[in-house]
Amino acid sequence: EVQLVESGGGLVQPGGSLRLSCAASGFIFNNYPMSWVRQAPGKGLEWVSGISDRGGSTYYVDSVKGRFTVSRDNSKNTLYLQMNSLRAEDTAIYYCARITGATHSWGQGTLVTVSS
Amino acid sequence: DIQLTQSPSSLSASVGDRVTISCRASQGVSTYLAWIQQKPGKAPKSLIYGASSLQSGVPSKFSGSGSGTDFTLTISSLQPEDFATYYCQQYNSYPLTFGGGTKVEIK
Repeated sequence: EVQLVESGGGLVQPGGSLRLSCAASGFIFNNYPMSWVRQAPGKGLEWVSGISDRGGSTYYVDSVKGRFTVSRDNSKNTLYLQMNSLRAEDTAIYYCARITGATHSWGQGTLVTVSS
Repeated sequence: DIQLTQSPSSLSASVGDRVTISCRASQGVSTYLAWIQQKPGKAPKSLIYGASSLQSGVPSKFSGSGSGTDFTLTISSLQPEDFATYYCQQYNSYPLTFGGGTKVEIK
């Protein structure tokens, strides 16, 4: 069974940094590209970032370019999202997701709150 | 970027009703289109991938159709557990994008 478990969320001040992690199990992690998707309170889903299966290519939504960095450690079956220069509008639940192949899977999410 | 437009944005239906939700892409996405269900306070759950393939474990009352720019999600007989928000998502090209969502409420 595919499992994705996010961690690392919390309360951070504007301008601060946070690193999210997503531990994957139940599939061959290094065979699949991965994504981060977020959902602001009361809003819809927004794709944030993606990374290729071996990590050689990364992709970002315009609003986080230059501030967020996605990476992965295939030896640890773990996906990361380094978030710098955080803003109030980055407040959201962040989901790790495998959006490819025959099984699309989502984690349970981790809440990031940016507030002073 | 590929824009996805869902309609309607909300609907009221009764148990047993047949419900149809539409999703239109601003440019062709082939069949790289997924449908996702989300209940309040819960993580998203994938229902359909490849425009029409049912995710493992998802009941057959859900079906998807379409290719290119026009897609449809149908729920054949609405049950109480189906009241939720539904999103379409394209994964044909980066940035991946979602539709604005359709909230299905009880009439």
